[in-house]
Amino acid sequence: EAQVTQNPRYLITVTGKKLTVTCSQNMNHEYMSWYRQDPGLGLRQIYYSMNVEVTDKGDVPEGYKVSRKEKRNFPLILESPSPNQTSLYFCASSFNRQGTINYGYTFGSGTRLTVV
Amino acid sequence: QKEVEQDPGPLSVPEGAIVSLNCTYSNSAFQYFMWYRQYSRKGPELLMYTYSSGNKEDGRFTAQVDKSSKYISLFIRDSQPSDSATYLCAMRRTGFQKLVFGTGTRLLVSP
Repeated sequence: EAQVTQNPRYLITVTGKKLTVTCSQNMNHEYMSWYRQDPGLGLRQIYYSMNVEVTDKGDVPEGYKVSRKEKRNFPLILESPSPNQTSLYFCASSFNRQGTINYGYTFGSGTRLTVV
Repeated sequence: QKEVEQDPGPLSVPEGAIVSLNCTYSNSAFQYFMWYRQYSRKGPELLMYTYSSGNKEDGRFTAQVDKSSKYISLFIRDSQPSDSATYLCAMRRTGFQKLVFGTGTRLLVSP
């Protein structure tokens, strides 16, 4: 089944304790992206990657890091989490190839992060 | 001003009603328009995809784009309780992968 898999689904952590949220897709998509979703603010892009070893900041990158060493994986790293990073996080992927029909993103099921 | 505006709702309708969901946008460079449906505790899933202006129909769903007014709509005919979800509009420019989302409209369809 074509899918984007995020882990963990739920995470409660303490301020300052480094954490990683994993994201993996099995559709051979070039483009991957992280979003956070907050009430009243909708989905905001954190970081994105056009392909392996190519990453760039989105609209709200502060406090986050990413890496793209393999095509299928795009982990989100919070080096020193703070309470304002409490949110619902989504990983998404899509094709980024000329000649392919882009039907938009495929999203993971989300990671609900609480930082206390 | 946000690039994409969407009424958060909730919009409550009885089963069988026709539902109209809308978004307005400010960037005339947007060419690709999408509607996503998001159930509680799930990720958004792509519902409809249109390019430039015009209508697109898929079963009970119809997407409309009016670029002159910078206005897009999603119509749901014969709405069902299973349609109860949050509906997100999204759009992007040609040559750019980034999707810009509306904040979503919560729809409640009562039996």
